[in-house]
Amino acid sequence: GQSLEQPSEVTAVEGAIVQINCTYQTSGFYGLSWYQQHDGGAPTFLSYNALDGLEETGRFSSFLSRSDSYGYLLLQELQMKDSASYFCAVRDNAGNNRKLIWGLGTSLAVNP
Amino acid sequence: DAGVIQSPRHEVTEMGQEVTLRCKPISGHNSLFWYRQTMMRGLELLIYFNNNVPIDDSGMPEDRFSAKMPNASFSTLKIQPSEPRDSAVYFCASSQDTGPTNEQFFGPGTRLTVL
Repeated sequence: GQSLEQPSEVTAVEGAIVQINCTYQTSGFYGLSWYQQHDGGAPTFLSYNALDGLEETGRFSSFLSRSDSYGYLLLQELQMKDSASYFCAVRDNAGNNRKLIWGLGTSLAVNP
Repeated sequence: DAGVIQSPRHEVTEMGQEVTLRCKPISGHNSLFWYRQTMMRGLELLIYFNNNVPIDDSGMPEDRFSAKMPNASFSTLKIQPSEPRDSAVYFCASSQDTGPTNEQFFGPGTRLTVL
């Protein structure tokens, strides 16, 4: 079957750096995405990796290693507002089907 | 743009009743997704439309669920009859195929409670 694995919970303190890992087993691979969801809110897009390496967007970076079927989201200079759930998602089909396979999410708690 | 619009935002109904959830995607987006989110099962894709045509409905749980997209600016998800286990947050999302990132834009969701 197809699956994405990520830790269920991570705790960190303000100003720290945290890394959320995601490993995937899918029939195909056409990109790894990360989404953020605050309690009571909707998922919002953070980043996308189609090729190996690191993509940086402000305090957030995302990494991909296709040979290891692995990626991570790196959050630096953590702020209280970063407390949220973070989902990794993979597109497994290059054709007309653009659905994503989703992980179960990682709940990040940032403490003062 | 107003983003993806969903209605109602909250729905409380009794078991056996019909429930209809509505979604207006972002103008110009040609892919539309219906998701269900619960604590136990996380975010589940129910059905995906591309250019108003259902492409993948493998996530639709059973015949009680149906979805339509009569035009590019409107979609509905119907549950008939509803059951307590259908209680969840239902999200609609849209995306534009020409984008390189496959970014999906989510609506605010409909919180459904079936008593």
